[in-house]
Formats: sequence, structure tokens, C-alpha cells
Amino acid sequence: NAGVTQTPKFQVLKTGQSMTLQCAQDMNHEYMSWYRQDPGMGLRLIHYSVGAGITDQGEVPNGYNVSRSTTEDFPLRLLSAAPSQTSVYFCASSYSIFAGTDTQYFGPGTRLTVL
Amino acid sequence: GENVEQHPSTLSVQEGDSAVIKCTYSDSASNYFPWYKQELGKRPQLIIDIRSNVGEKKDQRIAVTLNKTAKHFSLHITETQPEDSAVYFCAASTPWGGGADGLTFGKGTHLIIQP
Repeated sequence: NAGVTQTPKFQVLKTGQSMTLQCAQDMNHEYMSWYRQDPGMGLRLIHYSVGAGITDQGEVPNGYNVSRSTTEDFPLRLLSAAPSQTSVYFCASSYSIFAGTDTQYFGPGTRLTVL
Repeated sequence: GENVEQHPSTLSVQEGDSAVIKCTYSDSASNYFPWYKQELGKRPQLIIDIRSNVGEKKDQRIAVTLNKTAKHFSLHITETQPEDSAVYFCAASTPWGGGADGLTFGKGTHLIIQP
């Protein structure tokens, strides 16, 4: 049982490039989400999904796209990278779709730098 | 939306002393309040949580108290040890949308345990 996994661990992009951050979980969790963590800002919700085929926006969705074709995978796409997207990105999942009342398990994070 | 304020941003205590971190929230409908610990370069991990129908919860050296009237909750760590050094985040969740729109995090407290 690997829990929540993320790839890559580190990534450097140039402004304007696109890329996909991968997230997978093997716990059969319905709820998955993406957060970004910036110094002094805590964690902020980007997008979330309550099940396969269902996604919605969080607090800071601009510049990011998501899709959920399977229960296990929830990739985050950066369409045209900007320096403001330099951050550490965490994927999280929980068993229940009622994420606000269920323990969320975080992946190890992806450290992204946009030059 | 929900707003969570966390204080202090940095807390330094002597080993063996107690540490208290406080958070306030804005939405009186919030009903779930977890605390996460994040060690340097690692993922956030849940250490304790409390729901709005409970005033206090304890787990060994860690306790959380909730005052719904004043809309604040606190983390108490007794007999602090070097391994308690980390960044601690409080969070809150409202039941709107079934809580699916995730957690709102405070900005974090860097707890330093002085030997």
C-alpha cells in the first residue's frame, strides 16, 4: 500500500512551458485534491474531485487544469507556466467525499520552479 | 468563504515546557478542525482533530480545545521534546457542499524546541 504518490519530486520549467504533475492513490479514496504551499501562506486549495469524472475549483484555480478519469489518478496540468506558480504542490486524498470531515492524506509533494 | 488566522507565526520553548498555538475562524458553520504537523521537506501529517460537538480532545501529550462561541481553537503540547520541532498548521472546514471544498488552512506556526 503506497498511499498517495506524486511525480516528479522536483521540476524546473521556463515561463510559458506546460507540464503535468502526477498524483495517484491506492487506497480507493473518492476524494482527491491539489494544494499549493508558499512560504508564509499555508496551503491553498487549487482543485478537487469527489469522484471519477467530477472536478471543481478551489481557492486558487487560475492557470491550472485537472481531470479525473479513474478513481486512482488525479493529474494537475499547468497550461502556460508563470514565475508566480513557483511553489510546492501537494496532492491529498480522503476516503469520503465529505473531505471536510475526513482525514486527508498528503502525498510527498512536488517542488516546482518556474524561471 | 472561511478565513483562518493562526498565531504565533514562530514559537520557541524550552524542552520540557508546554507550547500553545491558537487559531481563530470566521465561519460559525465550520464543524471540523484538524491540526497538521509538517517537518522540514516533508508532507503535512494529521496529528489530532476535533469536531464541533466536542470541546476538548486529548492524545497523550497533545490536546486540542475548541470554543465555538468565540470561534477559536488551540493546540496544546505538553512536555515538549526535540522531535516536536516542526511547522504546525490548523485548518477548518464548513459543511457547505458536504465539506467537499476542502480545508482552509492557517499560515502555520514554526515551533522550535530549545535544548
